[in-house]
Amino acid sequence: TQLLEQSPQFLSIQEGENLTVYCNSSSVFSSLQWYRQEPGEGPVLLVTVVTGGEVKKLKRLTFQFGDARKDSSLHITAAQPGDTGLYLCRGATNKLIFGTGTLLAVQP
Amino acid sequence: SQTIHQWPATLVQPVGSPLSLECTVEGTSNPNLYWYRQAAGRGLQLLFYSVGIGQISSEVPQNLSASRPQDRQFILSSKKLLLSDSGFYLCAWSATGAGEQYFGPGTRLTVT
Repeated sequence: TQLLEQSPQFLSIQEGENLTVYCNSSSVFSSLQWYRQEPGEGPVLLVTVVTGGEVKKLKRLTFQFGDARKDSSLHITAAQPGDTGLYLCRGATNKLIFGTGTLLAVQP
Repeated sequence: SQTIHQWPATLVQPVGSPLSLECTVEGTSNPNLYWYRQAAGRGLQLLFYSVGIGQISSEVPQNLSASRPQDRQFILSSKKLLLSDSGFYLCAWSATGAGEQYFGPGTRLTVT
C-alpha cells in the first residue's frame, strides 16, 4: 500500500513564527501537489512540483521537491492567522494519493 | 469558467436509511470525477473515481456505491447507512488524472 506520510500531524504556533511541514513516501512520484483546506470547505491547490530538487515560492510559502522525488517540504515564513488550515500533499505514481495531512493553527 | 456543485451541505440520517449525494460540474466536458471521504483534520480517502459515463472504479470496499448517469453528474449512494459512514464527503473533478483537482464545498454527513 502506498502511503504519503505528513509530519507533524498537528502544529500550533504564534503569529510571526516560521514552520516547515513534510511529506514523505517510499515511492517515487512523477509530480506532487500541495493543497490547503479551510474548515468546512474543499481543498484548494497551492502548487505543483514535477522536477527533483525543484523549489517554488508563493509569497511567504516555499515548496521543495526532494532530489529523488520521494519527499517534499513546505516552509512558511512569518506565519499569519490566515495560514491556518489543513495542508495536504498529493502524489502521482501509478495511482494518485493524498497525504495524511498537517493541521496548522496560527494564533494571533 | 468551471464550477462544481455539491448538495446537500449537511445531512443527518438514521442508521439503516438510504443515502444519495449529488455532484455536478459546469463549464467542462468529460471530466474525471472523484468522491472522497475525510475524517476531521485528516487526509482524504478516495472512495470512487470515474473517467467517463457509466465507468466507476471503487477504491475501498464498503457500504457505498457511485454512479455517473451523465457526463457531468456523479452520485454517491448507500442502501443502508452505518454509523461509520459519518464524515465529510467531497466531490472533485480534474481534466486529467494527474492534474489539479477542483473540489466541491462538501457534505457533512452525520449518521445517528
